[in-house]
Amino acid sequence: DVKVTQSSRYLVKRTGEKVFLECVQDMDHENMFWYRQDPGLGLRLIYFSYDVKMKEKGDIPEGYSVSREKKERFSLILESASTNQTSMYLCASSPSIGAFFGQGTRLTVV
Amino acid sequence: KNEVEQSPQNLTAQEGEFITINCSYSVGISALHWLQQHPGGGIVSLFMLSSGKKKHGRLIATINIQEKHSSLHITASHPRDSAVYICAVVSQGGSEKLVFGKGMKLTVNP
Repeated sequence: DVKVTQSSRYLVKRTGEKVFLECVQDMDHENMFWYRQDPGLGLRLIYFSYDVKMKEKGDIPEGYSVSREKKERFSLILESASTNQTSMYLCASSPSIGAFFGQGTRLTVV
Repeated sequence: KNEVEQSPQNLTAQEGEFITINCSYSVGISALHWLQQHPGGGIVSLFMLSSGKKKHGRLIATINIQEKHSSLHITASHPRDSAVYICAVVSQGGSEKLVFGKGMKLTVNP
């Protein structure tokens, strides 16, 4: 079975902290995605990557950056966490047009 | 107007009932996903469709490409079917990005 693993289920961080959310997939997928999910807004794409060291902005990239140094790992970085970044963050990977999701990280910024 | 619309937004049913969840989209697509999200966050892909109909256990998914509409049916519903069901489409044009509906919260009471 394909496995997409996010490093934390729950995180609490302080305003201004630099936050790293890690995502690892074990099926050699080229495409990886970071989404955030908020009540009433659904899932929104933050960043995605088609290959190592390649990244593209999604719909809501402001306040975030990403890193993909290895094919299996896609990191989401909050450079200076703010309270409006409190959300559920979901990572996904895809070989083509399939979609495999991680279990999600619920981030609270206080 | 959202590119992917789901109806209803919330649904409460009694155990054993037949349930239909609808999804309409306004863009050309190469595939459509039905996703299930249980409390706690993790998302599971139930079906990926590009035409016709698929069945898995008590779940049936159909798609009408001409009408830009898909339905997810749950037969003999059970309380463990309680979850958020999300419709997501892959737009035509080579991008692997998913466009999500806002989801439908299903509660099945015993």
